[in-house]
Amino acid sequence: DTAVSQTPKYLVTQMGNDKSIKCEQNLGHDTMYWYKQDSKKFLKIMFSYNNKELIINETVPNRFSPKSPDKAHLNLHINSLELGDSAVYFCASSHASGRGYEQYFGPGTRLTVT
Amino acid sequence: GDSVTQMEGPVTLSEEACLTINCTYTATGYPSLFWYVQYPGEGLQLLLKATKADDKGSNKGFEATYRKETTSFHLEKGSVQVSDSAVYFCALSDPPGGTSYGKLTFGQGTILTVHP
Repeated sequence: DTAVSQTPKYLVTQMGNDKSIKCEQNLGHDTMYWYKQDSKKFLKIMFSYNNKELIINETVPNRFSPKSPDKAHLNLHINSLELGDSAVYFCASSHASGRGYEQYFGPGTRLTVT
Repeated sequence: GDSVTQMEGPVTLSEEACLTINCTYTATGYPSLFWYVQYPGEGLQLLLKATKADDKGSNKGFEATYRKETTSFHLEKGSVQVSDSAVYFCALSDPPGGTSYGKLTFGQGTILTVHP
């Protein structure tokens, strides 16, 4: 009965490859997010979807493309992977566009690009 | 833009010591404030939150008070345990009706290690 789940948990790949990370929440939330955590533990928002509509798109290379097939799912596709993409990617979800509400985080996907 | 500044870490304490992790913020209006905790190898969990000035959030012996006048939200615990060892993040988001769609702006995180 995991609230926010991500797959895979670990992803090791070579530069230039294309990979996807999937996220699912069973909390009935209407808003989902992708965050990137770098090697120094710093967390930064990348994208957010509300009811399948993109509402936040921070300054992220266009090699990153989020997709939300429905309110419960938010996937992240990365093209032409680079060494600097190595990080932990966290999915999160919340109620009511997130304003004032806590976000529930998935366990993270550790991406290593070699 | 909005920003959050946390005290530099890492912080190393002995069991039963007092803990304070300082957090200050810069934001327009009245943001909602949060403390999240990340245990080794896990995702973030909400520890506590406050949504208006002078609110006190508390959970698991941790407390933080929303101080509008000093734009601060310091995390405190009177007696830490080894199991409190983790990374602690202060964060803010816009309040209900805000325009940033609830995105969290995080501080840099503070690593806490508690020794027996």
